[in-house]
Amino acid sequence: LAKTTQPISMDSYEGQEVNITCSHNNIATNDYITWYQQFPSQGPRFIIQGYKTKVTNEVASLFIPADRKSSTLSLPRVSLSDTAVYYCLVGDEGDSSYKLIFGSGTRLLVRP
Amino acid sequence: GAVVSQHPSRVICKSGTSVKIECRSLDFQATTMFWYRQFPKKSLMLMATSNEGSKATYEQGVEKDKFLINHASLTLSTLTVTSAHPEDSSFYICSARGGRAADTQYFGPGTRLTVL
Repeated sequence: LAKTTQPISMDSYEGQEVNITCSHNNIATNDYITWYQQFPSQGPRFIIQGYKTKVTNEVASLFIPADRKSSTLSLPRVSLSDTAVYYCLVGDEGDSSYKLIFGSGTRLLVRP
Repeated sequence: GAVVSQHPSRVICKSGTSVKIECRSLDFQATTMFWYRQFPKKSLMLMATSNEGSKATYEQGVEKDKFLINHASLTLSTLTVTSAHPEDSSFYICSARGGRAADTQYFGPGTRLTVL
């Protein structure tokens, strides 16, 4: 299982763009990259998933370089409600029994 | 996205009693469900993986006789914490995938268990 490395914490201000980078040097050919958001006392919420290049949805963008050894979650114009823990995970989403192994995540604090 | 529910959202019990937590996929058929536990300020730890109609696969260090998992249908998995003790107090979270939600795992809202 690929191991991921993320910054433990990040600080930002309302209205700024936040980029959280995740390293996954041992990512396998079949692995996808998935990001989750978790608020205190809630289950993780799916944010975005990608395999290569760039993926964008209504809440975030995911940038994946050609070697796929890292990925960057981009949150445009964050608000106070984006304060949460963000987890980057990699794995073979084509395998129905694939196990998600959570790392420590990145604790994002958005200040007014 | 797909919706996963858990019941109850929180439970307080006395030491020595057993507690059952339900996990349901509401709008898709979950061929695989996962159970996690999370301690305060810590990350999620996978406890077990369950496939519908078969025995659960437990992670190393998780006692299968203490944490009984049943995945009897494509929409329901249950976790029973038997003879609960204060050290079992934690936040238990399930996730599910399968059917139209086969591309990733979707998580339930979690269950806060407090054992007195």
